[in-house]
Amino acid sequence: KNEVEQSPQNLTAQEGEFITINCSYSVGISALHWLQQHPGGGIVSLFMLSSGKKKHGRLIATINIQEKHSSLHITASHPRDSAVYICAVKYSRGGATNKLIFGTGTLLAVQP
Amino acid sequence: GAGVSQTPSNKVTEKGKYVELRCDPISGHTALYWYRQSLGQGPEFLIYFQGTGAADDSGLPNDRFFAVRPEGSVSTLKIQRTERGDSAVYLCASSLTLAGVGELFFGEGSRLTVL
Repeated sequence: KNEVEQSPQNLTAQEGEFITINCSYSVGISALHWLQQHPGGGIVSLFMLSSGKKKHGRLIATINIQEKHSSLHITASHPRDSAVYICAVKYSRGGATNKLIFGTGTLLAVQP
Repeated sequence: GAGVSQTPSNKVTEKGKYVELRCDPISGHTALYWYRQSLGQGPEFLIYFQGTGAADDSGLPNDRFFAVRPEGSVSTLKIQRTERGDSAVYLCASSLTLAGVGELFFGEGSRLTVL
């Protein structure tokens, strides 16, 4: 079982739909990142969360530390949102390590 | 430039050759990470540096892989006796701090193909 699991693995939506991508993890963390990766490679950090909720434009990220779960929401989705969305968590073992563990990503395709 | 810079962007080499991949982080970022991403997979941790020292190299797959960051800025990932299984995109990221609060900035990656 992967330490970071995302669902769904693939998601196709129609333009304008509300989208939710989920991330569950099994380790203690100090932070969780949501990343966006477009075809051809470039990765962009969307959010870094340690608690609560953050919002940037049409993107909202929430985290529930007790349940070890985070969600990324996209409101009024657009074809340009099509990308792979990756959840990554940073260990919190007394500061001994800060490596990130990545989920395998969710491939989102938003159709016009 | 203002972002994380990785060179080369593409490298094709033959099995058994030596390869160096370079990462130039954002100026002032103390933390630097190397990851490897195979096709269809999420990035896989290799090593991270806090300043000049490798704080955690537990992700390096074997002793053919080595990374340095001698002056606490530019880092070089070195792969000896390359194998076909080393083919992947090697990603570098940096952040201002290591202590769990720094936003990550990724380079565009170096695509390594071992023939």
